[in-house]
Amino acid sequence: GQQVMQIPQYQHVQEGEDFTTYCNSSTTLSNIQWYKQRPGGHPVFLIQLVKSGEVKKQKRLTFQFGEAKKNSSLHITATQTTDVGTYFCAGSGSARQLTFGSGTQLTVLP
Amino acid sequence: KAGVTQTPRYLIKTRGQQVTLSCSPISGHRSVSWYQQTPGQGLQFLFEYFSETQRNKGNFPGRFSGRQFSNSRSEMNVSTLELGDSALYLCASTEAGGAGQPQHFGDGTRLSIL
Repeated sequence: GQQVMQIPQYQHVQEGEDFTTYCNSSTTLSNIQWYKQRPGGHPVFLIQLVKSGEVKKQKRLTFQFGEAKKNSSLHITATQTTDVGTYFCAGSGSARQLTFGSGTQLTVLP
Repeated sequence: KAGVTQTPRYLIKTRGQQVTLSCSPISGHRSVSWYQQTPGQGLQFLFEYFSETQRNKGNFPGRFSGRQFSNSRSEMNVSTLELGDSALYLCASTEAGGAGQPQHFGDGTRLSIL
């Protein structure tokens, strides 16, 4: 079945440093979504990428979808303490169901 | 608009018992999906319901079942509980269902099995 791997599992950064999490799928994806889950909260949708090579930006966050539509990344520039949480990618392919990556837990040290 | 509502928020059960969790989607949303979240496994897809029909199912044993009512509210049932069923159960709603739509999650039900 479809598998989505996400690395790293944990990341500690100093406030102001950049952060990147990577997602890789075993199969070609129709689309990929990104979610953020704050400690004690529920996942909140951030963005969806659909096109090969697509790049989208939301303020300090940059999302990329690979040319082969099998990998994606989320990059945060100049992290802030409000960025703390776990970031999940979720992809869908032929199975028409979302498969979530295991998440990257981001800690931002002040 | 009110968000996705899940009840109860916390539940403690013992092995062998059964449990029913409830999810009320955002008004107008017809699709409800259920996920199991554990520290080691992340979010695992259980099933999706749309217009009272199960449209998709993940790789969970038959002890896990669900249903959806005509008002789009959904329930999930787990029978013969095992220790490994301890998890946060999240439901998510979308307008039309399918994996191409943003999932709107509820706060979840935290189930602990003793």
